[in-house]
Amino acid sequence: EPEVTQTPSHQVTQMGQEVILRCVPISNHLYFYWYRQILGQKVEFLVSFYNNEISEKSEIFDDQFSVERPDGSNFTLKIRSTKLEDSAMYFCASSPPGQGGSPLHFGNGTRLTVT
Amino acid sequence: AQRVTQPEKLLSVFKGAPVELKCNYSYSGSPELFWYVQYSRQRLQLLLRHISRESIKGFTADLNKGETSFHLKKPFAQEEDSAMYYCALVTGGFKTIFGAGTRLFVKA
Repeated sequence: EPEVTQTPSHQVTQMGQEVILRCVPISNHLYFYWYRQILGQKVEFLVSFYNNEISEKSEIFDDQFSVERPDGSNFTLKIRSTKLEDSAMYFCASSPPGQGGSPLHFGNGTRLTVT
Repeated sequence: AQRVTQPEKLLSVFKGAPVELKCNYSYSGSPELFWYVQYSRQRLQLLLRHISRESIKGFTADLNKGETSFHLKKPFAQEEDSAMYYCALVTGGFKTIFGAGTRLFVKA
């Protein structure tokens, strides 16, 4: 069964640095998402992406964040000037055509640690 | 306000006992509700969705619009049901809001 893949599984970075989290959604999916989960807290929506543009974003997703689909397979989340509070598990998800928003197929996540 | 509430952080039951994981939602539109599950060392995955009205791994969930609830139930819990369960609400088609999750622990 096809799966969403995320790399790296764990990223450690220093405060102020930029990180790029990478995701390969399921190939025939059209809707892509990033979520994050701070340790001990709930899974939070960051952004959704459809037809090469952001379709919705949360208040968390400010100018520090950006997403890109640089080619036909990758979907990236860039975090500029990382802060300690950006430390979290970041999940990529995708959903099939005709089912925008649901159901979500998740990757295994990237654990980001900002020191 | 759009919100999903799962009041129990941890639910511990014995094998063979009934299980009910509670979920309440707040949403002014027509809700689309899901349960997702995360087993140990596995990814978050869909368990069931309310529009399917199906039973998955013995679990069922009924949408009660009057009580704004979508509780997950199973008549006889199994040890392999031990996992983290998240209730989720889709709003406007592109955004899914998750509850805080309930950790279910099924004891032998």
